[in-house]
Amino acid sequence: AQTVTQSQPEMSVQEAETVTLSCTYDTSESDYYLFWYKQPPSRQMILVIRQEAYKQQNATENRFSVNFQKAAKSFSLKISDSQLGDAAMYFCAYRRSSLIIQGAQKLVFGQGTRLTINP
Amino acid sequence: GAVVSQHPSWVICKSGTSVKIECRSLDFQATTMFWYRQFPKQSLMLMATSNEGSKATYEQGVEKDKFLINHASLTLSTLTVTSAHPEDSSFYICSASRFVNPEGGANVLTFGAGSRLTVL
Repeated sequence: AQTVTQSQPEMSVQEAETVTLSCTYDTSESDYYLFWYKQPPSRQMILVIRQEAYKQQNATENRFSVNFQKAAKSFSLKISDSQLGDAAMYFCAYRRSSLIIQGAQKLVFGQGTRLTINP
Repeated sequence: GAVVSQHPSWVICKSGTSVKIECRSLDFQATTMFWYRQFPKQSLMLMATSNEGSKATYEQGVEKDKFLINHASLTLSTLTVTSAHPEDSSFYICSASRFVNPEGGANVLTFGAGSRLTVL
């Protein structure tokens, strides 16, 4: 079974600074997807960024970028120019690539990292 | 964009009663929906996978008779917590998946806003 581990329960960063959230995962599969989700106090899950394992290029979305190290099974999220609105729980998630196997679309989540932005 | 509506957002019930939570995909057809449970300050735990027109697939340790899931149409899945007890109090989140060509890009799941259940 696949597992996702976030070893940082809490992180804090000064506004406008850069912060990196760590995530490691374990899988025996070669093709899969990785995601970072944000859960603000409203508790609505918001997709921040996604990465296809077959792509070597790291995904970027404006101030958010990832460092995907497939061999090391590491998938960290970098937030540049941190803003107060970035404060939230961040979850790393894994999904199998196969859409044929029933239930393959389910996400396996890490434990989450609570990010605090200091003004 | 894709929107998933979850209702009610907050429900309080007495112990022993049953509560139904609805998850609707408003602008797309969802062949598969997922139900998660989240305790305070914890991660999302998958409870079951719901496929339209077939029985739900429950994760290990989740009581099928306690958490009844019905996916009667491509836009609606329901979770019924039967004979609720205080330990069932939690935040329940659904997510919906669109059918896409398997050769296409990642099938991104859309989440509902969640339902907070409090059992007295």
